[in-house]
Amino acid sequence: EADIYQTPRYLVIGTGKKITLECSQTMGHDKMYWYQQDPGMELHLIHYSYGVNSTEKGDLSSESTVSRIRTEHFPLTLESARPSHTSQYLCASSDPRGLETQYFGPGTRLLVL
Amino acid sequence: QKEVEQNSGPLSVPEGAIASLNCTYSDRGSQSFFWYRQYSGKSPELIMSIYSNGDKEDGRFTAQLNKASQYVSLLIRDSQPSDSATYLCAVVGSGNTGKLIFGQGTTLQVKP
Repeated sequence: EADIYQTPRYLVIGTGKKITLECSQTMGHDKMYWYQQDPGMELHLIHYSYGVNSTEKGDLSSESTVSRIRTEHFPLTLESARPSHTSQYLCASSDPRGLETQYFGPGTRLLVL
Repeated sequence: QKEVEQNSGPLSVPEGAIASLNCTYSDRGSQSFFWYRQYSGKSPELIMSIYSNGDKEDGRFTAQLNKASQYVSLLIRDSQPSDSATYLCAVVGSGNTGKLIFGQGTTLQVKP
């Protein structure tokens, strides 16, 4: 069973605001991921990290940035939120010893007005 | 051609029937395969993982893998209305990056 947490669960914010979506896991997994998913649509990988101080952009271009200063923490930041950023953001982690099985957090629903 | 393909559905089955969900993938070197269930508005939940050719059973769920034909399927026996969800097929590519490649998902509707 996975222990991966995301906060906030829901966020409504105005255009131009800076926001940080938090993701943390207590399993000691090296690999962490951020996905973006619009309602009824596919998952899109936007960022991933293979360990501390390692971050890479995913398959879908995103204006967000991430950092990985601690193994358990992988926050995502939007410097200036826009309505086009409205979506669900899902964080996941995996353990290569577990054959790359990814476990997802509960997600953050973001609405930018 | 998408790397992981699923029929988007909806697939509709009566309660108690067997639901069969299929997925094909393009990377012959893929080694790890997963099925996730996603309820509307929720995050994906791991149902099954499979790594070797053949069948793997877990309760009412059976995953089937055929690497020669590059397909993986999920059978749900005795389908229940609570099984109504979108089922995502995911594959780890051969590049050993650990990144999952997801299909677009198949929506399953189990009618009482």
